[in-house]
Amino acid sequence: DQQVKQNSPSLSVQEGRISILNCDYTNSMFDYFLWYKKYPAEGPTFLISISSIKDKNEDGRFTVFLNKSAKHLSLHIVPSQPGDSAVYFCAAKSSGSARQLTFGSGTQLTVLP
Amino acid sequence: DVKVTQSSRYLVKRTGEKVFLECVQDMDHENMFWYRQDPGLGLRLIYFSYDVKMKEKGDIPEGYSVSREKKERFSLILESASTNQTSMYLCASSEGGAGEQFFGPGTRLTVL
Repeated sequence: DQQVKQNSPSLSVQEGRISILNCDYTNSMFDYFLWYKKYPAEGPTFLISISSIKDKNEDGRFTVFLNKSAKHLSLHIVPSQPGDSAVYFCAAKSSGSARQLTFGSGTQLTVLP
Repeated sequence: DVKVTQSSRYLVKRTGEKVFLECVQDMDHENMFWYRQDPGLGLRLIYFSYDVKMKEKGDIPEGYSVSREKKERFSLILESASTNQTSMYLCASSEGGAGEQFFGPGTRLTVL
Protein backbone atom coordinates (compact mmCIF):
# COMPACT_ATOMS: atom_id res chain seq x y z
CA ASP A 1 0.00 0.00 0.00
CA GLN A 2 1.73 3.14 -1.23
CA GLN A 3 1.62 5.92 1.33
CA VAL A 4 2.98 8.48 -1.13
CA LYS A 5 1.47 8.47 -4.59
CA GLN A 6 2.43 10.24 -7.77
CA ASN A 7 -0.34 9.30 -10.14
CA SER A 8 1.15 10.83 -13.27
CA PRO A 9 4.10 8.81 -14.56
CA SER A 10 4.91 11.47 -17.12
CA LEU A 11 4.27 15.11 -17.98
CA SER A 12 5.25 17.18 -21.02
CA VAL A 13 5.22 20.98 -21.07
CA GLN A 14 6.45 23.67 -23.41
CA GLU A 15 9.50 25.68 -22.49
CA GLY A 16 8.53 28.85 -20.63
CA ARG A 17 5.21 27.47 -19.39
CA ILE A 18 4.36 26.24 -15.91
CA SER A 19 4.99 22.63 -14.87
CA ILE A 20 2.79 21.28 -12.09
CA LEU A 21 3.72 17.97 -10.51
CA ASN A 22 1.33 16.42 -8.03
CA CYS A 23 1.69 14.13 -5.04
CA ASP A 24 -0.86 12.61 -2.67
CA TYR A 25 -0.26 10.95 0.66
CA THR A 26 -2.28 8.86 3.07
CA ASN A 27 -0.31 8.90 6.32
CA SER A 28 -1.44 11.65 8.72
CA MET A 29 1.83 11.30 10.63
CA PHE A 30 3.84 12.82 7.78
CA ASP A 31 5.12 16.21 8.92
CA TYR A 32 7.78 17.10 6.36
CA PHE A 33 7.75 16.80 2.60
CA LEU A 34 10.53 16.98 0.04
CA TRP A 35 10.95 17.00 -3.71
CA TYR A 36 13.94 15.40 -5.40
CA LYS A 37 15.05 15.61 -9.00
CA LYS A 38 16.83 12.75 -10.74
CA TYR A 39 18.68 12.76 -14.03
CA PRO A 40 19.49 9.43 -15.76
CA ALA A 41 22.60 7.69 -14.38
CA GLU A 42 22.75 10.09 -11.41
CA GLY A 43 21.47 9.93 -7.85
CA PRO A 44 18.47 12.06 -6.81
CA THR A 45 19.26 15.60 -5.70
CA PHE A 46 17.26 17.59 -3.19
CA LEU A 47 15.16 20.35 -4.70
CA ILE A 48 12.81 21.90 -2.16
CA SER A 49 10.96 20.98 1.02
CA ILE A 50 8.03 22.09 3.14
CA SER A 51 7.04 21.57 6.73
CA SER A 52 3.48 20.59 7.57
CA ILE A 53 3.03 23.84 9.50
CA LYS A 54 3.30 25.78 6.23
CA ASP A 55 1.22 25.75 3.09
CA LYS A 56 3.75 27.21 0.67
CA ASN A 57 7.49 27.37 0.20
CA GLU A 58 9.23 29.14 -2.65
CA ASP A 59 12.78 28.94 -3.97
CA GLY A 60 13.43 30.74 -7.21
CA ARG A 61 11.48 29.09 -10.00
CA PHE A 62 10.28 26.31 -7.69
CA THR A 63 7.29 26.52 -5.36
CA VAL A 64 5.79 23.73 -3.31
CA PHE A 65 2.22 23.93 -2.07
CA LEU A 66 0.80 21.79 0.70
CA ASN A 67 -2.90 21.15 1.29
CA LYS A 68 -3.06 19.18 4.52
CA SER A 69 -6.81 18.69 4.53
CA ALA A 70 -6.61 17.09 1.09
CA LYS A 71 -3.31 15.34 1.87
CA HIS A 72 -1.96 16.76 -1.35
CA LEU A 73 1.14 18.63 -2.38
CA SER A 74 2.29 20.03 -5.66
CA LEU A 75 5.50 21.35 -7.16
CA HIS A 76 5.26 24.31 -9.53
CA ILE A 77 8.12 25.18 -11.85
CA VAL A 78 7.84 28.57 -13.53
CA PRO A 79 9.11 29.13 -16.14
CA SER A 80 10.00 25.61 -17.21
CA GLN A 81 13.34 25.10 -18.93
CA PRO A 82 14.66 22.16 -20.99
CA GLY A 83 17.22 21.49 -18.25
CA ASP A 84 14.32 20.75 -15.90
CA SER A 85 13.61 17.55 -17.82
CA ALA A 86 14.14 14.80 -15.23
CA VAL A 87 12.27 12.42 -12.96
CA TYR A 88 10.79 14.17 -9.92
CA PHE A 89 10.20 12.24 -6.72
CA CYS A 90 7.97 13.36 -3.90
CA ALA A 91 9.06 12.16 -0.43
CA ALA A 92 7.62 12.40 3.06
CA LYS A 93 8.98 12.09 6.58
CA SER A 94 6.90 10.82 9.46
CA SER A 95 6.97 12.43 12.90
CA GLY A 96 7.08 8.91 14.27
CA SER A 97 10.19 7.93 12.32
CA ALA A 98 12.50 10.90 12.19
CA ARG A 99 15.11 9.48 9.89
CA GLN A 100 13.25 7.64 7.16
CA LEU A 101 11.73 9.03 3.99
CA THR A 102 8.89 7.43 2.05
CA PHE A 103 9.12 8.08 -1.68
CA GLY A 104 6.55 8.23 -4.44
CA SER A 105 6.99 6.43 -7.74
CA GLY A 106 8.18 9.52 -9.60
CA THR A 107 7.00 11.66 -12.52
CA GLN A 108 9.07 12.04 -15.67
CA LEU A 109 8.95 15.71 -16.70
CA THR A 110 9.86 16.58 -20.27
CA VAL A 111 10.21 20.26 -21.17
CA LEU A 112 9.95 20.76 -24.90
CA PRO A 113 12.00 23.54 -26.49
CA ASP B 1 29.49 19.85 -0.54
CA VAL B 2 28.34 16.48 0.71
CA LYS B 3 29.80 13.65 -1.26
CA VAL B 4 28.38 10.16 -1.30
CA THR B 5 30.30 7.70 -3.42
CA GLN B 6 29.42 4.17 -4.48
CA SER B 7 32.04 1.61 -5.40
CA SER B 8 30.68 0.71 -8.82
CA ARG B 9 28.45 2.38 -11.38
CA TYR B 10 27.68 -0.86 -13.23
CA LEU B 11 27.92 -4.44 -12.05
CA VAL B 12 27.03 -7.75 -13.69
CA LYS B 13 26.81 -10.87 -11.52
CA ARG B 14 25.62 -14.45 -11.85
CA THR B 15 22.71 -15.99 -9.97
CA GLY B 16 23.89 -17.35 -6.64
CA GLU B 17 26.94 -15.09 -6.33
CA LYS B 18 27.57 -13.05 -3.20
CA VAL B 19 27.54 -9.35 -4.07
CA PHE B 20 28.95 -6.44 -2.10
CA LEU B 21 27.92 -2.85 -2.77
CA GLU B 22 29.96 -0.24 -0.96
CA CYS B 23 29.00 3.31 -0.04
CA VAL B 24 31.13 6.02 1.54
CA GLN B 25 30.08 9.50 2.71
CA ASP B 26 32.44 12.29 3.70
CA MET B 27 30.23 14.53 5.84
CA ASP B 28 30.25 12.65 9.13
CA HIS B 29 26.54 11.91 8.79
CA GLU B 30 24.92 9.68 11.38
CA ASN B 31 22.38 8.08 9.08
CA MET B 32 22.96 5.98 6.00
CA PHE B 33 20.43 4.29 3.75
CA TRP B 34 20.21 1.75 0.95
CA TYR B 35 17.39 1.97 -1.59
CA ARG B 36 16.56 0.23 -4.80
CA GLN B 37 14.87 2.04 -7.65
CA ASP B 38 12.64 0.16 -10.07
CA PRO B 39 10.42 1.57 -12.84
CA GLY B 40 6.97 2.49 -11.55
CA LEU B 41 7.92 1.70 -7.94
CA GLY B 42 10.06 4.68 -7.05
CA LEU B 43 12.68 4.34 -4.32
CA ARG B 44 12.14 1.56 -1.82
CA LEU B 45 14.12 1.41 1.41
CA ILE B 46 16.07 -1.79 1.96
CA TYR B 47 18.01 -1.07 5.15
CA PHE B 48 19.25 1.93 7.07
CA SER B 49 21.68 2.62 9.86
CA TYR B 50 21.73 5.45 12.39
CA ASP B 51 25.02 4.58 14.04
CA VAL B 52 28.06 2.38 13.67
CA LYS B 53 27.15 -1.30 14.00
CA MET B 54 23.45 -0.39 14.14
CA LYS B 55 21.01 -1.36 11.42
CA GLU B 56 17.29 -1.27 10.86
CA LYS B 57 15.19 -3.06 8.27
CA GLY B 58 13.41 -0.99 5.71
CA ASP B 59 10.44 -1.97 3.59
CA ILE B 60 12.11 -4.71 1.51
CA PRO B 61 15.01 -6.29 3.47
CA GLU B 62 14.49 -9.86 2.26
CA GLY B 63 17.54 -11.22 0.45
CA TYR B 64 19.81 -8.42 1.69
CA SER B 65 22.03 -7.70 4.64
CA VAL B 66 24.15 -4.68 5.60
CA SER B 67 27.28 -3.84 7.48
CA ARG B 68 28.39 -0.60 9.09
CA GLU B 69 31.78 -1.02 10.76
CA LYS B 70 32.80 2.63 10.34
CA LYS B 71 30.68 5.76 10.43
CA GLU B 72 31.49 6.78 6.87
CA ARG B 73 30.94 3.38 5.23
CA PHE B 74 27.76 1.38 4.71
CA SER B 75 27.79 -1.87 2.75
CA LEU B 76 24.90 -3.71 1.17
CA ILE B 77 25.31 -7.46 0.77
CA LEU B 78 23.34 -9.77 -1.46
CA GLU B 79 24.04 -13.17 0.08
CA SER B 80 22.94 -15.12 -3.00
CA ALA B 81 22.04 -12.90 -5.90
CA SER B 82 18.86 -13.62 -7.82
CA THR B 83 17.52 -12.22 -11.08
CA ASN B 84 14.79 -10.29 -9.27
CA GLN B 85 17.52 -8.28 -7.58
CA THR B 86 18.46 -6.70 -10.89
CA SER B 87 17.93 -3.02 -10.15
CA MET B 88 19.43 0.41 -9.55
CA TYR B 89 20.83 0.60 -6.02
CA LEU B 90 21.12 4.00 -4.37
CA CYS B 91 22.94 4.89 -1.17
CA ALA B 92 22.11 8.02 0.83
CA SER B 93 23.18 9.73 4.02
CA SER B 94 21.72 12.37 6.34
CA GLU B 95 22.40 14.16 9.59
CA GLY B 96 20.65 13.26 12.84
CA GLY B 97 16.91 13.72 12.57
CA ALA B 98 17.06 15.88 9.45
CA GLY B 99 14.79 15.08 6.54
CA GLU B 100 17.09 15.83 3.65
CA GLN B 101 19.11 12.90 2.37
CA PHE B 102 22.10 13.11 0.06
CA PHE B 103 22.42 10.43 -2.57
CA GLY B 104 25.26 8.70 -4.33
CA PRO B 105 25.25 8.20 -8.13
CA GLY B 106 23.81 4.70 -7.93
CA THR B 107 24.95 1.21 -8.94
CA ARG B 108 23.16 -0.50 -11.80
CA LEU B 109 23.26 -4.20 -10.88
CA THR B 110 22.35 -6.87 -13.38
CA VAL B 111 22.00 -10.45 -12.18
CA LEU B 112 22.11 -13.04 -14.98
